This record gives sequence, C-alpha cells and structure tokens, in this order.
Amino acid sequence: QKEVEQNSGPLSVPEGAIASLNCTYSDRGSQSFFWYRQYSGKSPELIMSIYSNGDKEDGRFTAQLNKASQYVSLLIRDSQPSDSATYLCAVRGSGAGSYQLTFGKGTKLSVIP
Amino acid sequence: DARVTQTPRHKVTEMGQEVTMRCQPILGHNTVFWYRQTMMQGLELLAYFRNRAPLDDSGMPKDRFSAEMPDATLATLKIQPSEPRDSAVYFCATILAGSSTDTQYFGPGTRLTVL
Repeated sequence: QKEVEQNSGPLSVPEGAIASLNCTYSDRGSQSFFWYRQYSGKSPELIMSIYSNGDKEDGRFTAQLNKASQYVSLLIRDSQPSDSATYLCAVRGSGAGSYQLTFGKGTKLSVIP
Repeated sequence: DARVTQTPRHKVTEMGQEVTMRCQPILGHNTVFWYRQTMMQGLELLAYFRNRAPLDDSGMPKDRFSAEMPDATLATLKIQPSEPRDSAVYFCATILAGSSTDTQYFGPGTRLTVL
C-alpha cells in the first residue's frame, strides 16, 4: 500500500513569514512529486512539481526533495493571506507507464494578516 | 479550450437513485482519472482510462459504481443505486501520457449529496 503522509494542520503563520509544509512517502521507487493547492470548494491546482533531489524554486515557492529520506517539502516565503488553502502532496508511482498519483490528505494553511 | 469540464457541478439526489457524472478531458489528453474527495479519506483514486480503455478500477466499489469512456471527449462515472455514504466531491483529472509533462489537470468537480 503506497502511502503519502502530511500533517493535517492547521498550520498558522503570520503574514510575511515562511510557511513550511512537509510530506513523507512510502514508495521508495517514486520518481515524480507534486504540490497542489486547493482553496475551499475548489479543485486542486498544481503549484510545483519536482523530480530530482535538491531544491526547486518558483517565485515565492520552493520545493525540496530528499529521496533517501523519502521526504518532500514546500516552503512559501513572504506568506500572504491569499496563500491560505489546503496543500496536497502527491507522489507518482514507480510502475512503468503508470501515471497514477497517491495524494496525502493535505495540510491546511492559514496566513494571519 | 484547455480546461477539464465536469457536469453537473452539484447534484442532490435521494438514496437509491441513479447518478451520472460527466467529464470532458482537455482536448488531446488521452488519460482520464476519476477521484473522490471526502474530509475523512481525502482524495481517493476510483478508476482511470487511457485511450478510452480502463486501466485500473480497483478503487471503485464494483457493485454500484461503473466508469466508461464512450469517446475521446467524454468520460462518465455512474452510481446505481446511490447511497448516503457516496456523498462527496468527485473530480476528474486528465493528462497526455507520454508527453514531456506528467501533470494532472483537475476539473471543477461534481459535489454529490445523497439524502
């Protein structure tokens, strides 16, 4: 059973602070990792994907991957109230030709003005 | 249009009734996933298709759920008979398998309430 674990939160940070979201996964052969943001009542939208160990930056967002530790994180710098949402970590399975994603249950982030 | 569309957006029905949800993939996308999202279980994969053929439906209760893809522009998820425990948001997501990106794009979802 492939598992993706996230702290459910809520994680509260003041506006302008760094929000740190964490995710661990069980399938050691996983190759693709994604962070989706989901506003209440809306569908998940992709904000970051990462495939190699290390950091990947996109604007205020940085994804970090450590395959040896089976750990993915998302940092949000200069957090804004508009970042308040649930963040879903998703991992693509290791099977050849498989595009299935396993999702964590999400971390709810609240950015306090 | 580069969006996944789903209909209906909301559905309220009574227990025992048949429910059909529809998904139109992004034009050219060849793989369609059906997910169910609840507060307790999060996002669960129910089934997925590639080039209209079912590849995996192990997440779907077989006795009441069925999924089909009658053509490349339409995927359907049917529940018959529906039960209150089926109340959830149902999303479809699509990708173009084999392309340089493996990002799944989600539709807006169908919010189902079974009374």
